[in-house]
Amino acid sequence: DQQVKQNSPSLSVQEGRISILNCDYTNSMFDYFLWYKKYPAEGPTFLISISSIKDKNEDGRFTVFLNKSAKHLSLHIVPSQPGDSAVYFCAASFGDMRFGAGTRLTVKP
Amino acid sequence: NAGVTQTPKFRILKIGQSMTLQCTQDMNHNYMYWYRQDPGMGLKLIYYSVGAGITDKGEVPNGYNVSRSTTEDFPLRLELAAPSQTSVYFCAVGDTQYFGPGTRLTVL
Repeated sequence: DQQVKQNSPSLSVQEGRISILNCDYTNSMFDYFLWYKKYPAEGPTFLISISSIKDKNEDGRFTVFLNKSAKHLSLHIVPSQPGDSAVYFCAASFGDMRFGAGTRLTVKP
Repeated sequence: NAGVTQTPKFRILKIGQSMTLQCTQDMNHNYMYWYRQDPGMGLKLIYYSVGAGITDKGEVPNGYNVSRSTTEDFPLRLELAAPSQTSVYFCAVGDTQYFGPGTRLTVL
C-alpha cells in the first residue's frame, strides 16, 4: 500500500533551467509534507516542507507547491545547479511519516 | 556537535544471528525514528519514539525491537536475522527528521 508515489524515477535538466519534481499521495489525512535530498552513502537531508493549510512555501531556489484537491505536491528548483544532482524524496506525515521511492535528479553543466 | 551518529557503518550477518544497530543523538530531541531503505524504494518506518521510555511501531516493525532508556540513545535490535532484512538502516531525530549516515546491513 504505497500512499506516497513519485512516478518519475529519474529527471535530467540543464544547468540554469527549472527542475520540477512531482509527488502524489492517496491519504487525505496527511497534513504535513516534506522534501529531502540524498547523496550516495549519506542520510537524507531535509530541504523544505509545507503544511496542509498552505499551498506554497518558498526557500531560496526551492519552492514547494501543494494541491490538496489533486493530492499532489511538487518541488521546483530554480535555477538548477550541478550540485543539486541527487535523489529527492517526498514524504507525507499525519503522525508517522511515509516516503516516496525517490526521483534521481541529474543537472547537466 | 555530531548530530546523529550510527554504528556500525557496515555489517554482514549470517541468517539467524542477532545484532544491535546503535543510534545516538546530541540534539536533546525527544523524537527519534528508525527507517529502512531497500534498493529503489523509499524509506519505511520501523519504530519510533517520542521520548525516553516510549516507543511505538511504524510501518514495518516485524523482526525488530527497540528500546529508549535515555534521550540520547535509540538502539534497534535484530534477534534472528533474515535475508529480507538486508537493507540500509537510517536513524532520524526531530520533527523534520535529521538523519544519520546509515548502516548498510547484509544478511547471508
